[in-house]
Amino acid sequence: RKEVEQDPGPFNVPEGATVAFNCTYSNSASQSFFWYRQDCRKEPKLLMSVYSSGNEDGRFTAQLNRASQYISLLIRDSKLSDSATYLCVVNMWAGGFKTIFGAGTRLFVKA
Amino acid sequence: DVKVTQSSRYLVKRTGEKVFLECVQDMDHENMFWYRQDPGLGLRLIYFSYDVKMKEKGDIPEGYSVSREKKERFSLILESASTNQTSMYLCASSYATSGAYGGLFFGEGSRLTVL
Repeated sequence: RKEVEQDPGPFNVPEGATVAFNCTYSNSASQSFFWYRQDCRKEPKLLMSVYSSGNEDGRFTAQLNRASQYISLLIRDSKLSDSATYLCVVNMWAGGFKTIFGAGTRLFVKA
Repeated sequence: DVKVTQSSRYLVKRTGEKVFLECVQDMDHENMFWYRQDPGLGLRLIYFSYDVKMKEKGDIPEGYSVSREKKERFSLILESASTNQTSMYLCASSYATSGAYGGLFFGEGSRLTVL
């Protein structure tokens, strides 16, 4: 089983749609959680951290459920510019701190 | 804004050549990382450093070495480049938060082709 697993993509949605990505992690010692966005042939960019209390940044909402070892990202009112790959990232202690990237979920927003 | 700068965006080298990839960050981050990214394999950690002159092996250190002589600079060295090291190389840096690494800030990447 992979340490961090994400929804298989790609997701194809119309502009204005709401889309949700899910991510599960296997190590209960995981300490911090993030969503990154990566455009084609570009570097990953930090989108937002994820907290147990949930956090929102404009159209983006992230949630963490430690009991279920589950992270989510909700994008409301999708824009064409949201088209990208979204990476779930987990920092954990495994004999030293490790940052584990999920494989990413590809999102296409269509006009 | 955090700036992580990689010295070369595109490089073409021949098998057996020594390759240096340089990375500089301007945010006084303690932690620096080198990843490679390949289609279908995602991001894989090569080496990381949490302090000057300190280095730790990541998941795929074979064929690579690193150097961190100054806090802001982290270099990746391919002693003898091989064709299977053709890849996108990404440098990243981060602060440390509550004993765990914070979010990573990446450079634009160095696309290396080994012929």
